[in-house]
Amino acid sequence: GNSVTQMEGPVTLSEEAFLTINCTYTATGYPSLFWYVQYPGEGLQLLLKATKADDKGSNKGFEATYRKETTSFHLEKGSVQVSDSAVYFCALSRTTDSWGKFQFGAGTQVVVTP
Amino acid sequence: SAVISQKPSRDICQRGTSLTIQCQVDSQVTMMFWYRQQPGQSLTLIATANQGSEATYESGFVIDKFPISRPNLTFSTLTVSNMSPEDSSIYLCSVVLAGGRNEQFFGPGTRLTVL
Repeated sequence: GNSVTQMEGPVTLSEEAFLTINCTYTATGYPSLFWYVQYPGEGLQLLLKATKADDKGSNKGFEATYRKETTSFHLEKGSVQVSDSAVYFCALSRTTDSWGKFQFGAGTQVVVTP
Repeated sequence: SAVISQKPSRDICQRGTSLTIQCQVDSQVTMMFWYRQQPGQSLTLIATANQGSEATYESGFVIDKFPISRPNLTFSTLTVSNMSPEDSSIYLCSVVLAGGRNEQFFGPGTRLTVL
């Protein structure tokens, strides 16, 4: 079945550091891939997405590239801010036999210190 | 995107009681889902809310415990029945907007504590 594996947290960084959160997936066919962010006490917000191989999603300084050869969708940001402290979820969605259903990773907590 | 509201935002309930959570969307949607997020964990899909018919439940979830209604395209309710402390979680609804784009948008969640 489908699955998403994320690196464990918490990830603690200083402000302006480089952030990478690893995400790999297992799925048949060609899923769409997403990153969601959950700020403390809030619901999930879509951060970025990619729908086919080699697509790069980007938003708010975050980027992730859909790598089919390595089944990965790693999230990166070149210079984090304290306001980036949140939990980040990688997710995939099949568009064929289970249309619309998302499979979420376990989430990675990121803590950015001043 | 869409504006998705949930009521209540949080509640503290006694063991054995039931709570109904409402989800309202301001746009036309094709699909609505209910998720559970237990403390410190990821999201688990409970069911797909189907308009005018019975919801489609995931493995491990049953209608008697989590009855769901969706009387129209933009509104759904989830009831957590005969609650126990193990039901303490955040419950989130999500939607896929009409237009065919494969994105899900989430409500703010309902934080439930069962004593």
